[in-house]
Amino acid sequence: DQQVKQNSPSLSVQEGRISILNCDYTNSMFDYFLWYKKYPAEGPTFLISISSIKDKNEDGRFTVFLNKSAKHLSLHIVPSQPGDSAVYFCAAREYGNKLVFGAGTILRVKS
Amino acid sequence: DADVTQTPRNRITKTGKRIMLECSQTKGHDRMYWYRQDPGLGLRLIYYSFDVKDINKGEISDGYSVSRQAQAKFSLSLESAIPNQTALYFCATSLGPSGANVLTFGAGSRLTVL
Repeated sequence: DQQVKQNSPSLSVQEGRISILNCDYTNSMFDYFLWYKKYPAEGPTFLISISSIKDKNEDGRFTVFLNKSAKHLSLHIVPSQPGDSAVYFCAAREYGNKLVFGAGTILRVKS
Repeated sequence: DADVTQTPRNRITKTGKRIMLECSQTKGHDRMYWYRQDPGLGLRLIYYSFDVKDINKGEISDGYSVSRQAQAKFSLSLESAIPNQTALYFCATSLGPSGANVLTFGAGSRLTVL
């Protein structure tokens, strides 16, 4: 069973609007969550993270929200730009262990 | 030069052939990983190594083996390739344990097994 799920394979957003990417997890022992971004022909790159002791972390246009009771996190991109078009992977870590990745969501930002 | 370099970037081979994917890094990180990416399945961990002589199986290690020849080098071998090993393979590194969350990935090696 996938412990980290990204149920939306793709998302299309107009430039300037908000992009919301969602991620659900099943393992209550996860204590750290990350988002990675991947462009074609490149490896994933780290984008933003959040510890389980927080419910929000912001970095410029990117904000990650964590709802532990719902086992849900989301990545908000405001405003969305065409350069944000990429695959976004959600990942989670159980302390001391390796990361578990979701299947990814393809974001397309239309200009 | 890239921090994490994977060779080859693309490889087409036949069923039953032995294949080696190589990874080298200049990050000075102690931890190295091999992942494979398949559509709809995301990134799945094959093997990982926290130091030279340390080798650990990931969630999908069957059919693969690895070698950590030096702190900077981690190679992945398919002893007898099969078509369902056709995938995009990524090597990654991290500084552990405090930096273990943030992985630095290579650009990937696309393997096609006919």
